[in-house]
Order: sequence, then structure tokens, then C-alpha cells
Amino acid sequence: GEDVEQSLFLSVREGDSSVINCTYTDSSSTYLYWYKQEPGAGLQLLTYIFSNMDMKQDQRLTVLLNKKDKHLSLRIADTQTGDSAIYFCAEKENAGNMLTFGGGTRLMVKP
Amino acid sequence: EPEVTQTPSHQVTQMGQEVILRCVPISNHLYFYWYRQILGQKVEFLVSFYNNEISEKSEIFDDQFSVERPDGSNFTLKIRSTKLEDSAMYFCASRDSNTEAFFGQGTRLTVV
Repeated sequence: GEDVEQSLFLSVREGDSSVINCTYTDSSSTYLYWYKQEPGAGLQLLTYIFSNMDMKQDQRLTVLLNKKDKHLSLRIADTQTGDSAIYFCAEKENAGNMLTFGGGTRLMVKP
Repeated sequence: EPEVTQTPSHQVTQMGQEVILRCVPISNHLYFYWYRQILGQKVEFLVSFYNNEISEKSEIFDDQFSVERPDGSNFTLKIRSTKLEDSAMYFCASRDSNTEAFFGQGTRLTVV
């Protein structure tokens, strides 16, 4: 079945850029997402990208998609302490209904 | 901003008891979902619901689980006879045809 993998942990200093990586196995993935989960809160949709795109930028967030390598990344510019959270990568097939999530990457931002 | 609301935030139940987890999706959304996250594991899809019926379900969603939209605003997940391994965070989500899924803050279910 489909699988989505992420590294468990990332630590950066405030003001630096963060890059969170994700790999997936399903070549029919059409939509790829990044969700953010703060402590005690739900899953907040940050951004998403269609598989026919290579890059999407939204303010401090840049999503890069390498469809050949099935690799997705989320870059957060000028990382702030408020960005500390768990970031989940997820994918969905065009015809499908369900999201397949990675295990989440815990981002810790040090002052 | 509209949001998906889940109640309760935390539910403790004894093994073998029935629980009902409640969700109020965003109004005018038509597609509804339940996901769960066992502590330390991935968020897993359970079921999707559209037009008053289940549209897709995972292997996890066996006969002890059921979903219902009892009125125009609520979407519930019932677990008939809870097991210890049902302890998890349960997330409800909803979307309409033109948006991506919005998730609630989750209900933490603890089975003792």
C-alpha cells in the first residue's frame, strides 16, 4: 500500500530556515499536503501542491516537489518560535477520498 | 473562521463499553471523515461519509465501528465495545467539493 515517510525531528535556531522532508511511494499521488499540529490542537492545513507542479510559495512557506524521486519538502523561511510544532506530510490520489499521512516531523525552534 | 468542532476533548471509558465521539463539521460541507492517531504512530484513515452513506473505509473500520449523521449538523463515530487498543486521538474532518479537508482538534479516547 501507499507509504509516506518523514524524519522524526528537526531543530533550528530562530531566524534560520527550516526544511522538512517527506518521501512517498504512491506514483498516482495527485495532491500532496503539509499539515501543522500544535500541542493540544488539531491538524491545521498549511499548504498543498498538485502533482503537476514543481514548486509553490506562500509567504514564508515554499513547497518543492520532485515527482521523479517522489520527494516533497517544506521550507519555512525565517523560522519563529511559534513555528514549533509537528508537521505532517500527506498524500491523496485524485480518485481517492482518503489522506495517507507520514509520521510527522517535530520541529523545535530555539531562541 | 469556520472550524470543525469535536466533543469531548478527552473521554475515558472502561473496556467493553460503548463510546460515541461527536463532531460538528463546517456547515455546508458535504464530505466527512474520521481519522485516528495511536500515540507515537501515524494518523490513519478510518472512514469517509458522503450523501448519508459510507463512501470508503479502511481495514481498521470493522464491525465494532459505525458512523452516523443523526441530524443536519452532527457527525458521530460509535465504537460498540471498546478495546484497550482503541485508545487513540480521533480526528474528525470535513470538506466541500472545492476545498481541502479541515480537521477538528481531536478527541483523546482512553480505554482502561
